[in-house]
Amino acid sequence: EVQLVESGGGLVQPGGSLRLSCAASGFAFSTYWMSWVRQTPGKGLEWVANLNLDGSEKHYVDSVKGRFTISRDNAKNSLFLQMNSLRAEDAAVYYCARDNGATGWVYWGQGTLVTVSS
Amino acid sequence: DVVMTQSPLSLPVTLGQPASISCRSSQILLYSDGNTYLNWFLQRPGQSPRRLIYKVSNRDSGVPDRFSGSGSGTDFTLKISRVEAEDVGVYYCMQGTHWPHTFGQGTKLEIK
Repeated sequence: EVQLVESGGGLVQPGGSLRLSCAASGFAFSTYWMSWVRQTPGKGLEWVANLNLDGSEKHYVDSVKGRFTISRDNAKNSLFLQMNSLRAEDAAVYYCARDNGATGWVYWGQGTLVTVSS
Repeated sequence: DVVMTQSPLSLPVTLGQPASISCRSSQILLYSDGNTYLNWFLQRPGQSPRRLIYKVSNRDSGVPDRFSGSGSGTDFTLKISRVEAEDVGVYYCMQGTHWPHTFGQGTKLEIK
């Protein structure tokens, strides 16, 4: 059974940093692109970033470029999102999801909540 | 970015009655490979999103055949032939043709 379990969310002040993790199991992690997708009450669902099998190719939504870094550790079946210079508008539930390319995401984690507030 | 516009945003439906959700894109979703990457997701209360339909009309495994998708170009529709209680939640269309992939704002289906 495919499982994706996020962790690392919490309360952070504007300008602060947070590192999200996603532990994957039940599938050959190193053979799939992976994504982070976030959800806010105001903007709804938004794809944030994804990366290829070995992490050499990464893509980001414009609003997080230069501030967020996606990475993976295939030996540990783990996906990460390093978030720096956090803004109020980054507050969201962040989902780890197995990337199916243009057809979206079939498998999602349960999400981890990030709150940005002073 | 491609803007996805759903209507209605709220959809009260009587059990056993049909329901229909419209999704319009600001750009044509036909890709150069001949596929149209318009997908539908359902997020039930308290759950993560779940993909229901991909490439306009293909149901995912386990999705009941009362769900159907149609459309082309910039105009797409998700139909439920007979709404059941388990269909309650927020439905999102999502395009995967253009980068970045983008979602509609969601349609909340509730039982009258």
